[in-house]
Amino acid sequence: QLQLQESGPGLVKTSETLSLSCNVSGGAITTDNHFWAWIRQPPGKGLEWIGSIYYSGSADHNPSLKSRLTISIDPPKNQFSLRLDSVTAADTAIYYCATYLGSWGLSQWGRGTLVTVSS
Amino acid sequence: SYELTQPPSVSVSPGQTVSLACSGDKLGDKYVCWYQQKPGQPPMLVMYQDSKRPSGIPERFSGSNSGNTATLTISGTQPMDEADYYCQAWDSDSFYVFGPGTKVTVL
Repeated sequence: QLQLQESGPGLVKTSETLSLSCNVSGGAITTDNHFWAWIRQPPGKGLEWIGSIYYSGSADHNPSLKSRLTISIDPPKNQFSLRLDSVTAADTAIYYCATYLGSWGLSQWGRGTLVTVSS
Repeated sequence: SYELTQPPSVSVSPGQTVSLACSGDKLGDKYVCWYQQKPGQPPMLVMYQDSKRPSGIPERFSGSNSGNTATLTISGTQPMDEADYYCQAWDSDSFYVFGPGTKVTVL
């Protein structure tokens, strides 16, 4: 069974760049029809779709974040990554990585990592 | 941008049935998923493609989607079902959006 684990700094300064990686184990990130996603959840609030990527490099992004967002994938490392530029306190959230098969839903999630943005 | 609405909270007695609504424009034309989230845990998929249960999800969970509303129904609600529930709309022509969530309290 696939397992996902987020990693990255827990504290980022205002206006700097938030970078997270998601390590995938139990299967290849290049498996056909598997998409790899980032979702975030501000403390005490609801879920927000950030974006997703396929192993080919094709990606989709939440329009509200698109200008600041880069999602990339590294098949040899079995990892995919998130980069969010010019962060503010509003970007403070638990960041989750997850995987889905088209419309079959986000079936596997990482445990999430809290990223706090502060000056 | 596409938006989904959910009631903020609902209460149910143990053993009773509760229906959670998720509304959006022509939602019935899209596939809907549902997630259960307990405090301190990541969300867990409990329904996909409107009415299909992933392996391991109890039969007391069922789903439907028609018109502008999708519904997740929990029959014979148990105390362990107390959680936040989020709907999510899948549409290949747009990015994927979550509803604001419904807190289910089992009294």
